[in-house]
Amino acid sequence: DQQVKQNSPSLSVQEGRISILNCDYTNSMFDYFLWYKKYPAEGPTFLISISSIKDKNEDGRFTVFLNKSAKHLSLHIVPSQPGDSAVYFCAASEDGGSYIPTFGRGTSLIVHP
Amino acid sequence: GAGVSQSPSNKVTEKGKDVELRCDPISGHTALYWYRQSLGQGLEFLIYFQGNSAPDKSGLPSDRFSAERTGGSVSTLTIQRTQQEDSAVYLCASSPGLAAYNEQFFGPGTRLTVL
Repeated sequence: DQQVKQNSPSLSVQEGRISILNCDYTNSMFDYFLWYKKYPAEGPTFLISISSIKDKNEDGRFTVFLNKSAKHLSLHIVPSQPGDSAVYFCAASEDGGSYIPTFGRGTSLIVHP
Repeated sequence: GAGVSQSPSNKVTEKGKDVELRCDPISGHTALYWYRQSLGQGLEFLIYFQGNSAPDKSGLPSDRFSAERTGGSVSTLTIQRTQQEDSAVYLCASSPGLAAYNEQFFGPGTRLTVL
């Protein structure tokens, strides 16, 4: 049973517009969430994170929103750039728990010039 | 500074052979994780090491899989008697510690193909 779900395997966006990547989770014990970005033939790299005590975290063009009651988070990229084209993974973990983050299957974002 | 490195980058082997995959973590990182990513799947946790503690092997799919970490640094993942379903990208990551807020630094992965 997937505890972290990224239901959209792919997303296509025009350059300059907003990209919204979604992630849902089922384990209410998760209290820390991270987004990673992966280019082909490279390992994932950390992008942005959010603790469950917050509902928003912003870093430049990237903002993550957390809705705990809905067990939903989203990553917003504004404005989107062609270099943002990559696979984005959502990961969730329980601080003080198993220390094993649970990853979603990823969403492939394509930003068209 | 140097990031996480993995070798080989690609490995093609025949069914039934043993393979060893190597990971060099970032110096000073106490936590080291192994994951695999099969086609169209997310990152599947395999094993993690933290300092000198016993590793958490809860993600290893069978007893054909084993891993060790020597001197708290380099790690080797060994797959014995490889099967076609072992074909995947094997990713190693290191982290300054085990806290949930510690981001993981990933290597480029080893693509394993079992014929």
